[in-house]
Amino acid sequence: GENVEQHPSTLSVQEGDSAVIKCTYSDSASNYFPWYKQELGKRPQLIIDIRSNVGEKKDQRIAVTLNKTAKHFSLHITETQPEDSAVYFCAASTWNTGTASKLTFGTGTRLQVTL
Amino acid sequence: DTGVSQDPRHKITKRGQNVTFRCDPISEHNRLYWYRQTLGQGPEFLTYFQNEAQLEKSRLLSDRFSAERPKGSFSTLEIQRTEQGDSAMYLCASSSPRDYQETQYFGPGTRLLVL
Repeated sequence: GENVEQHPSTLSVQEGDSAVIKCTYSDSASNYFPWYKQELGKRPQLIIDIRSNVGEKKDQRIAVTLNKTAKHFSLHITETQPEDSAVYFCAASTWNTGTASKLTFGTGTRLQVTL
Repeated sequence: DTGVSQDPRHKITKRGQNVTFRCDPISEHNRLYWYRQTLGQGPEFLTYFQNEAQLEKSRLLSDRFSAERPKGSFSTLEIQRTEQGDSAMYLCASSSPRDYQETQYFGPGTRLLVL
């Protein structure tokens, strides 16, 4: 089955700096890679996702890059703000139209943005 | 609130007791997933339904666990003869094939503590 590794487990940055979180996956059939943000005591919420036919996707201060050959993908947050402090999870799945697909999650990165 | 809802939000039980959790997906989402999240870890897939059919079960779902979705709407997850190792956050998610890439939307979770 799929295995997703995520690094680092904790990350502390100063407000305004950039943060990068990296994930690797094992199953070459995986083609969908979402990132979820989970604040303390709250539900995971999707912040950005990417499909395997795209190398990079950006949404305001957040971007995700994907290297299919190396089987790794990364989350980039620029101009970090205190409200970015949370646990971030990467995930991978094999997604096809018409079939549901389970997500395999990484172990999470606790991001702390300090003033 | 039209998001995924779960009930109860917290459950404390004694070892050996049975517990049942409920998940109400987003209206018209025909796919429903159960995940388990332990402290410091990412969510782990347990099972999913398409309408009322349970299509996949993880090996994490021992014989003591049973999930149902009798009318293709809400779902229940029952744990019989609870063990301390069952203590975790149980998350439900739902998706629709009509949504782009079938984003999985998570509920707030049910936190189970087995004493």
